[in-house]
This record gives sequence, C-alpha cells and structure tokens, in this order.
Amino acid sequence: AQSVTQLGSHVSVSEGALVLLRCNYSSSVPPYLFWYVQYPNQGLQLLLKYTTGATLVKGINGFEAEFKKSETSFHLTKPSAHMSDAAEYFCAVREGTDCKLTFGTGTRLQVTL
Amino acid sequence: GAGVSQSPSNKVTEKGKDVELRCDPISGHTALYWYRQSLGQGLEFLIYFQGNSAPDKSGLPSDRFSAERTGGSVSTLTIQRTQQEDSAVYLCASSLSSGGGPYEQYFGPGTRLTVT
Repeated sequence: AQSVTQLGSHVSVSEGALVLLRCNYSSSVPPYLFWYVQYPNQGLQLLLKYTTGATLVKGINGFEAEFKKSETSFHLTKPSAHMSDAAEYFCAVREGTDCKLTFGTGTRLQVTL
Repeated sequence: GAGVSQSPSNKVTEKGKDVELRCDPISGHTALYWYRQSLGQGLEFLIYFQGNSAPDKSGLPSDRFSAERTGGSVSTLTIQRTQQEDSAVYLCASSLSSGGGPYEQYFGPGTRLTVT
C-alpha cells in the first residue's frame, strides 16, 4: 500500500530564504507524485507532478521538486520565499492504475519579514 | 473556463440529520472523486467515479455515506444520520480520466460540514 510522510507540520522561513518541504513516499510500484498547495478556505491547487522521465520537475510560482528513487523522496524547494507562499502544502502519491491520491499530513509554511 | 464547483460552501446540521453535498465537475471530465479533510485524519479518499463503471467505494468510512453521479456529470454525496465526527471539509475533484495515466485532479473549494 502506498503512503506519504511529510516531515515537519510547520515550517517557518524568512522572506527571501530557501524553502524546503520534505516528502517521503512508500510505493510498491513506480509512483506518480504530486505537490498541492492550499490557501486558506480554498481547495487544492496543483503545484507540480512527477510522472516519468526527468526527475527534476518545475512547477508554478517558482517551485520545483526532485524525484529521488533511491531515497524514496520528492522534496519541494523554492530558492526565495515570498510572503504570498504562506499556505499549506500537501505531497501526494498515486500508484499505477489506482486512481485515488494518498496524501501526506501537510506542512504549513509561514513566511516572515 | 469554469472549475469544479461545490455547494453549499458551508453546512451546519444537527446530529442525526441527513445531509447532501453537491459537486459539479469540469465539463468533459469523466472521472470524479470525493475526499474528506479533517483535523484528525488529514485528507482521505472517499469514493471515485469513472464514466459508467461501478464506483470505487473503498474509502467510505461507514454505510451512512453514499454517493451517486447522475448522467456522468453532477455528483451528490449523502451522509445519513450525521455524527459529530463527520464534521470536516468535503472536497470534490475531477479529471479527464482515471486509469492508466497521471491525469491531474482539479479540486473544488470544498463544503465545510459542521455537525452540532
């Protein structure tokens, strides 16, 4: 069965600092991996996804993530945080033809001046 | 174009009452999903529909929960005899398809259900 672990339920960074949100997954088959962002009182918006091919994936708003099979990781990064990045971030995995997404518990990102 | 819409946005109900939550997927999307987001359980899959196939109900937490999708479009999630632990945000998502490919799921804004 697939699972996702997000280390750190809360992360605080200064504006302009590097953002690093950690995600590790467990999957019995090559997975599809996703990062979603949720702003207050809104639904989930896809930031980026890994399917096959290039392991470094670029998404919206300057975010990127790297799929590392050997480490079963898919960490999300952004070189320079903006105040508008403050939100909750969810990593999700989907296995093969199993259509449902399995989500991590989420990481709330706080950006301070 | 229009995204996934859900109604109502907020619902307060008394324990023991039945509630219906509605989801309008993106036009042309054949797959529709329901998830639940709660403080204690995080984001959980409930059910998904793909075209005319039988739905995958494996995530429904009890037989008080049911869902239907009429005409391959609008879906209704029904919770009978609501309990306080049903309080959560119910999210609907849709995608172009579900099998075989990593089709992006587009999420609606959710319905916040409060059971008093």
